[in-house]
Amino acid sequence: AQKITQTQPGMFVQEKEAVTLDCTYDTSDPSYGLFWYKQPSSGEMIFLIYQGSYDQQNATEGRYSLNFQKARKSANLVISASQLGDSAMYFCAMRDRSNDYKLSFGAGTTVTVRA
Amino acid sequence: GAGVSQSPSNKVTEKGKDVELRCDPISGHTALYWYRQSLGQGLEFLIYFQGNSAPDKSGLPSDRFSAERTGGSVSTLTIQRTQQEDSAVYLCASSYRNFNEKLFFGSGTQLSVL
Repeated sequence: AQKITQTQPGMFVQEKEAVTLDCTYDTSDPSYGLFWYKQPSSGEMIFLIYQGSYDQQNATEGRYSLNFQKARKSANLVISASQLGDSAMYFCAMRDRSNDYKLSFGAGTTVTVRA
Repeated sequence: GAGVSQSPSNKVTEKGKDVELRCDPISGHTALYWYRQSLGQGLEFLIYFQGNSAPDKSGLPSDRFSAERTGGSVSTLTIQRTQQEDSAVYLCASSYRNFNEKLFFGSGTQLSVL
């Protein structure tokens, strides 16, 4: 069965600093995708970044990068040069074939950026 | 439309009434998902459709909850005899069916049961 674990319920980060959000996952399927979504107070779910299980390189999208450690089943999100607009809840999620491609989410991490 | 559309955006109802929530996915997306999110909490999976069939209904909280999808497109989530604990944001998402496809989310329906 799938399981996504985010152990940090809340974090504070200073503006312009980097922050790392932890995510570990569990699957027996060799083919899977890992996703990070951002949910600001407005409630919309914003896709940030994707990492495939077969990808050799860590994914990057602008200020977002994913620290993918396959052997440890870890997919941490790094936000560089934090901005006030980064204050939001962040969810790690996974899809795999063994679970019929259902997207399962972690509990989320709330990030608050301080000026 | 270009995105996933949900209606209504807000619904206030009295305890015991039935409500219907609608989701119009992105055209061509075969997979459709319903999630529920209580205030400040994570996303709770409710049900998943592949085409018109629902291979996974495991997240439906009780038999008061049901959902259908017609024509491989629009989906309706129905809650019968609503209870106060049903108050939450109901999110719909759609995608193509593969492990590397991201989900596109609607803006949600805020349900308030008085």
